[in-house]
Amino acid sequence: EPEVTQTPSHQVTQMGQEVILRCVPISNHLYFYWYRQILGQKVEFLVSFYNNEISEKSEIFDDQFSVERPDGSNFTLKIRSTKLEDSAMYFCASAWDGLSNQPQHFGDGTRLSIL
Amino acid sequence: GDSVTQMEGPVTLSEEAFLTINCTYTATGYPSLFWYVQYPGEGLQLLLKATKADDKGSNKGFEATYRKETTSFHLEKGSVQVSDSAVYFCALSDRRGAQKLVFGQGTRLTINP
Repeated sequence: EPEVTQTPSHQVTQMGQEVILRCVPISNHLYFYWYRQILGQKVEFLVSFYNNEISEKSEIFDDQFSVERPDGSNFTLKIRSTKLEDSAMYFCASAWDGLSNQPQHFGDGTRLSIL
Repeated sequence: GDSVTQMEGPVTLSEEAFLTINCTYTATGYPSLFWYVQYPGEGLQLLLKATKADDKGSNKGFEATYRKETTSFHLEKGSVQVSDSAVYFCALSDRRGAQKLVFGQGTRLTINP
């Protein structure tokens, strides 16, 4: 069964550094999402992406965050200047379409640790 | 805004026990409802879904019924196994915008042999 893959599985970065988290969505999917889960807290929506532009973003997704689909297969989340509070598990998800009844398929996540 | 509330965990049961994990939601629209499961070291996997009132989602012996009148989507299983040990997330997706998922806080389930 096709999978969403995320790399790396664990990223350790110094505060203030830029980090790029990578995702390869399922190949025929058109809608892409990033979520994060701070340890012990809920999974929170960050951003959705369709047709090469952001569809919706949460208040968490401020100017420090950006997303890109650079080559038609990868979907990346960049954090420009990381803060301690960015430490979390980041999940990428994809869906074939944006209808609410269509399930999103998740990757295994990237654990981001900011020192 | 939309929200999902799950029963507090952790939940510990013996093998073959009956499981209920409560989930209630608040939504201004008419959402679709999901249960996702996260096994240790893995990502979120869709367990089951229901898209309209009175729909019952089922998979791997788990069931949940979309109850609009009580705004609930409780997860049940008649006889749990050790392999069901995981974190379970209730989630909704409304019909507006990009259909983002709104998650509950997750319930950690441990099944003892």
